Parts: sequence; structure tokens; C-alpha cells
Amino acid sequence: AQSVAQPEDQVNVAEGNPLTVKCTYSVSGNPYLFWYVQYPNRGLQFLLKYITGDNLVKGSYGFEAEFNKSQTSFHLKKPSALVSDSALYFCAVRDGIYGGSQGNLIFGKGTKLSVKP
Amino acid sequence: DTGVSQDPRHKITKRGQNVTFRCDPISEHNRLYWYRQTLGQGPEFLTYFQNEAQLEKSRLLSDRFSAERPKGSFSTLEIQRTEQGDSAMYLCASSLGLAGVGDTQYFGPGTRLTVL
Repeated sequence: AQSVAQPEDQVNVAEGNPLTVKCTYSVSGNPYLFWYVQYPNRGLQFLLKYITGDNLVKGSYGFEAEFNKSQTSFHLKKPSALVSDSALYFCAVRDGIYGGSQGNLIFGKGTKLSVKP
Repeated sequence: DTGVSQDPRHKITKRGQNVTFRCDPISEHNRLYWYRQTLGQGPEFLTYFQNEAQLEKSRLLSDRFSAERPKGSFSTLEIQRTEQGDSAMYLCASSLGLAGVGDTQYFGPGTRLTVL
């Protein structure tokens, strides 16, 4: 079964420091991986995705993520955190083996990122 | 591109009442998805449309839930005989549908349902 784990409920970072939000996954076939951000009382906003190719994916607002097949991880990173990055971050996976099932994303529980000035 | 819109943004109802939510996807997006998000959890998939056809339904979608997308544009999600356990944020997403499983879903702001 497909699954996503975000092992940290909360990550605290000082402004200007690098940040990492962790995500590991489990799928049967090739993984298709996504990161979304959610601000309070708002919907999810797409940040980036890994489909194939270069393991380092660059996305919106200076975020990037590194796909590591051997460790089944897709950690979200940013070289220098901003206070405005404080939000809830969700990792999601879609299993590419289900060619006919192109519907659902499987989401992790989310990680709350808090960036202090 | 005005984004995915959902109406209403908030709904408070009494147990046993019926409620209906509307989602307007990004124009030209032929795929539309409904998810449910409860506090402290990630979104959980409910159902998915390609154009007007409902292609996938989660086991979370009980008989009290029904979704439609009659003309392949907007969609409605109806919950009959609401229960307190239905209280959640209901999210709608749409995607273009050209990139297969790598297709990016874009989410609306959600409808927060509170069942008293």
C-alpha cells in the first residue's frame, strides 16, 4: 500500500538558517512525489514535484527537494528561512504503478514549520 | 486564471440536515477531485472526476455522500443526514489532465463544515 510519513510534527528554525522538512514514502512502483504548503484557513498551495530525472527539484519561493530512491525520501529544503515560511507543509505521493488510477494523492500528516525572527 | 473556487467557505448545520458544496475548477482543467481534511491530518481522497465521469471513489465516501459534475465544469458534493463526524474541511482540486500520474493538482480554499 502507498504511504507517506512525515516524522516531525513541528520544525523550529531561526530566520536566515537553512531548513529541512522530512518526508519518506512507500510505494509499489515508481513514486510521483509532491510538496504542498498550507497557510491558516487556506487551501493547499503547490510547491514542487518529482516525476523523473534530476533528483534535485527546484520549486516556488526558493524551496527545493531532494529525491533519494535508496532511502525512499523526499526532503524539502530551503537555504535561508523566512518568517513568512511559517506554515503547515504536506508531502504527498502518487503510485505510478497504478496507471489507470490517476486520481488520488496520499498525503502525510503534515509538519508545522515555525520560523522565528 | 482565477484559481479553484469553493462555495460556501463555511457551513454550520445541525445533525441530520443535508448540505451541498460547490467547486469551480480552473477553466480547461478536465480533472476534478474532492478531499476531506480533519484537524491534525493531511487531506484524504474522496472522489475524482474526469470531465463529467466519476472515475474513482474512496471507501470514505459513504452512501450519504454524493458528488456530481454534470457538464464537466463545476462540481457539487452533497452530504445527506449529516453526522458530527462529518465535521471537516472539504477541499476541491483540479488538474489539467495531460501529464498522467505526474499531473499537478491545484487546490481551492476549502469549505469548513461544522455539524452541531
